[in-house]
Amino acid sequence: DQQVKQNSPSLSVQEGRISILNCDYTNSMFDYFLWYKKYPAEGPTFLISISSIKDKNEDGRFTVFLNKSAKHLSLHIVPSQPGDSAVYFCAARNSGYALNFGKGTSLLVTP
Amino acid sequence: DAGVIQSPRHEVTEMGQEVTLRCKPISGHDYLFWYRQTMMRGLELLIYFNNNVPIDDSGMPEDRFSAKMPNASFSTLKIQPSEPRDSAVYFCASSRTGGRSPLHFGNGTRLTVT
Repeated sequence: DQQVKQNSPSLSVQEGRISILNCDYTNSMFDYFLWYKKYPAEGPTFLISISSIKDKNEDGRFTVFLNKSAKHLSLHIVPSQPGDSAVYFCAARNSGYALNFGKGTSLLVTP
Repeated sequence: DAGVIQSPRHEVTEMGQEVTLRCKPISGHDYLFWYRQTMMRGLELLIYFNNNVPIDDSGMPEDRFSAKMPNASFSTLKIQPSEPRDSAVYFCASSRTGGRSPLHFGNGTRLTVT
C-alpha cells in the first residue's frame, strides 16, 4: 500500500507563476518529510525538507507547507522557471532511516 | 564529494541470466539503500544497510534478489535468475547517521531483461 500519495501525475505552469505540488500521507507516525527533484537519466536530488514540529519551511523560491491534521503537504515554487521542469517526489520517514516515496508529479514550466 | 556511483548505467540481459549491480556510496556515509523504480510502483525500497549490516530487507521481492555490503565503500545487488518483470531502474542511495540526513542518490542502473 502506498503510504505517500501524489495524486497529480503531471502539472503545467507558465514561467513566472506559482507551481503547487501536493502530497498526502496515511501514516501518522511519519515525522519528517522531504521533496526530491529528478531530471531524466539522473537520480533524485534532495530539494527541501520539513519536520513534523513545523508547518512551514522556506528555502529561496521553494516553500514546503505541512498540515498534520489533514496529513497533507505541499511544495510551492515561486516564481517558476523553465529549469524547474522535472519530476518531483514527495517522501516521508518515520523512526527508521528509509524513505517512503510517492509516485511523483511531472512539472512542466512553459516560457 | 564524488557522489554515489553506480555501475553499469545500463544493463541488457536475457531472461535466466545473473545480473549484478554495483554501488559506491559517499565516503563517510554509514547508511546505504537500494531502491527500484517502476511505472507501476514508483520508487520502492528493496533493502538498506547500516555500517555494512543489512537492517531491513523486507522489500526484496523474492529469493532471486540478494544484496551484500562487504565493506563501507561497496555494495552489490544481485538478481539470479533474472526475469523480464525485473526490468526497472535500480537506484542506490547513501546517507549519514541522523534522522534528518537526506538520502543522496546515484544516477541509477537501467536494467532490461528480455
